[in-house]
Amino acid sequence: AQTVTQSQPEMSVQEAETVTLSCTYDTSESNYYLFWYKQPPSRQMILVIRQEAYKQQNATENRFSVNFQKAAKSFSLKISDSQLGDTAMYFCALRSEKLVFGKGMKLTVNP
Amino acid sequence: DTGVSQDPRHKITKRGQNVTFRCDPISEHNRLYWYRQTLGQGPEFLTYFQNEAQLEKSRLLSDRFSAERPKGSFSTLEIQRTEQGDSAMYLCASSSASPFYEQFFGPGTRLTVL
Repeated sequence: AQTVTQSQPEMSVQEAETVTLSCTYDTSESNYYLFWYKQPPSRQMILVIRQEAYKQQNATENRFSVNFQKAAKSFSLKISDSQLGDTAMYFCALRSEKLVFGKGMKLTVNP
Repeated sequence: DTGVSQDPRHKITKRGQNVTFRCDPISEHNRLYWYRQTLGQGPEFLTYFQNEAQLEKSRLLSDRFSAERPKGSFSTLEIQRTEQGDSAMYLCASSSASPFYEQFFGPGTRLTVL
């Protein structure tokens, strides 16, 4: 079975600061993909960043980057220069065919 | 194409009634997924289609749930004899076939069973 664990239910950060969201996963698949999705309040889920498991290089998308540690099965998300619009639920997800999501983490960016 | 759409956005029903939700995926996507999300939880996989074929169903999808994608375009999810435990947000997503490709999510249908 595939599992995704997000152990921090909630975090808050000041605008312009850097924050790291943690995620661990478990899978027996050799070929899989990891994603971070963002779900703003009352809005639909959107993709933040993705990582192919066979790539050692960590993915980066503007202010968002990941720290992918395959041996440790860890996939953390770093948000630099936090903005008020980053306030949302963040879900880590693992995919071989279907997406398996963690429980999510509520991030609040304070002015 | 404006993305994945779902209808209705909200549904309130009485226990024991049947409900049907519709999802229209992005037109060029051949995969369509259904998820259920309860408050404070991440989405849980229910089922997915590649074109019109239903390829996998979760054990969460009891006999009261049925999904179809008759022409490989839009999909419907029907819940028969609704129970209060069915209250949740039902999310639809679509993607191209490769697991690398992003799943695009719709806005969801929020079901409340009284």
